[in-house]
Order: sequence, then C-alpha cells, then structure tokens
Amino acid sequence: SQKIEQNSEALNIQEGKTATLTCNYTNYSPAYLQWYRQDPGRGPVFLLLIRENEKEKRKERLKVTFDTTLKQSLFHITASQPADSATYLCALSPFSGGYNKLIFGAGTRLAVHP
Amino acid sequence: EAQVTQNPRYLITVTGKKLTVTCSQNMNHEYMSWYRQDPGLGLRQIYYSMNVEVTDKGDVPEGYKVSRKEKRNFPLILESPSPNQTSLYFCASSPRTSGTYNEQFFGPGTRLTVL
Repeated sequence: SQKIEQNSEALNIQEGKTATLTCNYTNYSPAYLQWYRQDPGRGPVFLLLIRENEKEKRKERLKVTFDTTLKQSLFHITASQPADSATYLCALSPFSGGYNKLIFGAGTRLAVHP
Repeated sequence: EAQVTQNPRYLITVTGKKLTVTCSQNMNHEYMSWYRQDPGLGLRQIYYSMNVEVTDKGDVPEGYKVSRKEKRNFPLILESPSPNQTSLYFCASSPRTSGTYNEQFFGPGTRLTVL
C-alpha cells in the first residue's frame, strides 16, 4: 500500500542545534515534495518545495533534501530557536494526481528548548 | 491581506442535522480543496475543485458534498453528520498553473464535533 511516514514521536532538541526531520514514502513516485509548518490550532503554512530532479533546496535556516532512491526527504533547521517549535508536515504530489494533488504525512512535532 | 477564511471556526452539532462550513479565498485561485485532520492520520483530502463548476472526490468523500458556483467560495456540506465526522477541517487554495507545482494556502480550520 502507499504510505508516507514521519516520526510520530516528538523531537526534542536544544536551542542552537540542528533539527533533522525525516519523511519516508513507499509505493509513490512523487513529482515533488513540500514541507509545511503547523502551529496548534492553526492551518499549515508552506515552507519549501523540492522537485524530483532536485537533490537539495535551501531557504534561510531551512534545508530540504530529496532522495528518490531511498524514497526519503530530510528537513533540516539549523541554529534552531524556541520559535521553531511546531509540527512539521511533509506532503508529496504523485505524478498521477495533477499539479495540485497533495498526500500528507501525519507530521512530526518539534520542541526546541532554551 | 491574501487569505483563506472559514466559518464557523468551532461547531458542535447533533447527528443528522445538516450543516455547511463556508470557505472563501481572495487570491483568485482556481484550485480549492477540503481536508480533514485526525490524530495520527494526517491531512486527508475530502473533495477538490479545479475551477468553477468543476469538482471531484478526494480520498475520503463519503458523507460530504461540495459546490463551486463562484471562484472564491467552496462550501463543504454535511447532509446528515455522524459522530465519525468529528474532526478538524481545513480548506485550502492554490493557483493552478499548468506545468508548475504550487504551494497551498490553508484556512484557519473548523473544529467540528458531532454528538
């Protein structure tokens, strides 16, 4: 069956360290992957998009990698801050779904401690 | 301000009482979608619309209806709500540009409880 998996356990790290979140998928051939941030009681907010022919994408302190051989995307936050504490969702777009179709993972909660 | 709005934000209702959750966007986006979010399951797509009068089922459409009479509005209708539709609902919109993958803009969510 098709699955997108993110660590269900919360990730706790110290301020200033790099947070690394994992998104694994099976039985999909995604055209691209997106990462979203979701704060409690709020809708997801778009962070980054990476296409299937791209290995890495950066935006300020954020970095996303996409390995179609391993079927995995890694999301890094460098120099993490308590304000980065949130749930992070990965979402992929299968080639068959059109340009707007997104399948979401359940998300990983990140807690950055001072 | 560019945004997606949903109403109501919170709703408690009883089994079988028809309800509508409204969604409106002011970004002139063609694509709109409804998701439900349940613990441990992530966001699951209920229905989506590629443009006015064009709607299609997502992954979990049972028990829901939608309509797209205007570009900006995409209401979600529960004709006969049941307790298993208790969930957090999100509306999202996105520009639909052929050949380009686009981010989705989400509304603030509607927390629905069906007793």
